[in-house]
Amino acid sequence: SQQGEEDPQALSIQEGENATMNCSYKTSINNLQWYRQNSGRGLVHLILIRSNEREKHSGRLRVTLDTSKKSSSLLITASRAADTASYFCATDYVSDKLIFGTGTRLQVFP
Amino acid sequence: DAGITQSPRHKVTETGTPVTLRCHQTENHRYMYWYRQDPGHGLRLIHYSYGVKDTDKGEVSDGYSVSRSKTEDFLLTLESATSSQTSVYFCAIGAAGETQYFGPGTRLLVL
Repeated sequence: SQQGEEDPQALSIQEGENATMNCSYKTSINNLQWYRQNSGRGLVHLILIRSNEREKHSGRLRVTLDTSKKSSSLLITASRAADTASYFCATDYVSDKLIFGTGTRLQVFP
Repeated sequence: DAGITQSPRHKVTETGTPVTLRCHQTENHRYMYWYRQDPGHGLRLIHYSYGVKDTDKGEVSDGYSVSRSKTEDFLLTLESATSSQTSVYFCAIGAAGETQYFGPGTRLLVL
């Protein structure tokens, strides 16, 4: 499989804590994206980072990209119960196609 | 929210019957995708379209066909449904190097 792999598969934290999830991939990429999926819903785009970028911020989200290690991390700071969801990374090293990882399930307890 | 709808939202069918799922967009986007989501596999690309009548296979295309006769509609057909095609199907619009917007999904159960 050429999917990205997220780590951990599941993560449980308390509100206010930071959540970090990681994504590793196998070949050179153009872009890497992170998506969130609430239970039973479609995916929602969070952030896109290009291969020539190392870090990107959006609100409480911070994404890093290390192309030498073929890995990315998503940090959610000061987590809230509403952040409870599954998070997926996706890469587009195959032209016109996004390849998704298997996701990290995040549970944030009030 | 991007204007993407999927129909039906839920379907139960029997093995061997044909099934067609519809994705409709109001964004006039060139690229449309069909994914399936199964536990332990994340989202896997079935087929995608890069324009009217222009389609290509994804990583799990066996047993599926697609058609796109209009910009706004992308149809996914299971010619003869099997139990292994029980899944949640998502449509998306947007090029791979840009934000993709997803529909609400169709839950398909093949008995």
